[in-house]
Amino acid sequence: EIVLTQSPATLSLSPGERATLSCRASQSVSSYLAWYKQKPGQAPRLLIYDASNRATGIPARFSGSGSETDFTLTISSLEPEDFAFYYCQQRSEWPVTFGQGTKVEIK
Amino acid sequence: EVQLVESGGGLVQPGGSLRLSCAASGFTFSSHWMTWIRQAPGKGLECVAHIKQDGSEKYYVDSVKGRFTISRDNAKNSLYLQMNSLRAEDTAVYYCAKDERGYGYWGQGTLVTVSS
Repeated sequence: EIVLTQSPATLSLSPGERATLSCRASQSVSSYLAWYKQKPGQAPRLLIYDASNRATGIPARFSGSGSETDFTLTISSLEPEDFAFYYCQQRSEWPVTFGQGTKVEIK
Repeated sequence: EVQLVESGGGLVQPGGSLRLSCAASGFTFSSHWMTWIRQAPGKGLECVAHIKQDGSEKYYVDSVKGRFTISRDNAKNSLYLQMNSLRAEDTAVYYCAKDERGYGYWGQGTLVTVSS
């Protein structure tokens, strides 16, 4: 099973600041990596697929990069609605696995 | 508009069974892999089971193998998860999700609570 490790566990930032979230895979997942945002009581929402492609309707302030084992989600300027949990997910092989999540909280 | 609506969750005793359903609309259901994903209270996300378009391939996470069965009825645009021998650690919100280079569509989830 491919293990995804996200860091940091918590990111404390102010609105308008830049957020950089990391996801490291225990083995190569090529570019088969996605990012999701989840708010309490809601289903996750797909932000980025295949490492760097924004999903439909996702604002340009969200960007993804990386390949093989190291990936980054960047939020260029945090909006109030961006404070949430973020998960990475690989679909390179079954079982599809998720990282443990990064909480982006208001400082 | 794509819609996924889960049902069938509830409270069940350890060792009991439940069958979850997911009604799909707004897309060609028979053209997509579908997945059940769960989230235990306050925890992260776990893919439980995955099924090919025609049902000919099915995959399960190790923790549910032999206990859970995923199936689909393309004529009814429906996905199912039969859960037997339920354990306390199966307590979670269960989501169905449409698989297309990432899970772009999720249902609202149905809560399964395993407790005596």
